[in-house]
Amino acid sequence: DIQMTQSPSSLSASVGDRVTITCRASQAIDNSIGWYQHKRGGAPKLLVFAASNLQAGVPSRFSGSGSGTDYVFTINRLQAEDFATYYCQQFYASPVTFGQGTKVEIK
Amino acid sequence: QVHLAESGGGLVQPGKSLRLSCVAAGFSFGDYSIHWVRQAPGKRPEWVAGVSNDGNNVDYADSVKGRFTVSRDNSKSTVNLQMHSLTAEDTALYYCAKGLMVSGFVEDCFDSWGQGTLVTVSS
Repeated sequence: DIQMTQSPSSLSASVGDRVTITCRASQAIDNSIGWYQHKRGGAPKLLVFAASNLQAGVPSRFSGSGSGTDYVFTINRLQAEDFATYYCQQFYASPVTFGQGTKVEIK
Repeated sequence: QVHLAESGGGLVQPGKSLRLSCVAAGFSFGDYSIHWVRQAPGKRPEWVAGVSNDGNNVDYADSVKGRFTVSRDNSKSTVNLQMHSLTAEDTALYYCAKGLMVSGFVEDCFDSWGQGTLVTVSS
């Protein structure tokens, strides 16, 4: 199975900050990565797919980049509604696997 | 508006069985794969099983292979997950999720999720 190592596991940030989360795959995954936002008690929400494609309706302050084994998810100008847990997921090979999550908390 | 609704969770004893259902609405159901993803408390999400858009292909995580069976009824926009020989390690919130790509299968990401149904395996 492809292992997804996500960092950091948590971070504290203020409204307006720029937040960066990274995921490293245990092998090259050819941009087959998605990023999700998960708020407590809610359903996970797909924000970015195929490394850098913004899902319909997602604000442009969210973005993704990367290649090979290393991928980055960025939130520019953090908003109050962005405090949540974020996960990466590779879909290069079955079984699809998730990172361990990054909890973004209010500083 | 895409909507997925899971049901069937509950408290079950080790070794017993449980059947989860997912009813979908708001999209062309027969065009997309549907998956079950679970998340135990404090753990990362774990993909459990997936069924292709036409129901002809299924796939399972090794942790549930031989114990779980996924099926779909496109006439009813429903996907079921039959779970047997449950253990404490199966305790989790179970989500059904829609594949992003038309006619995609397991190598996909998930663009819509239900709210989840809780399965607790305990004596």
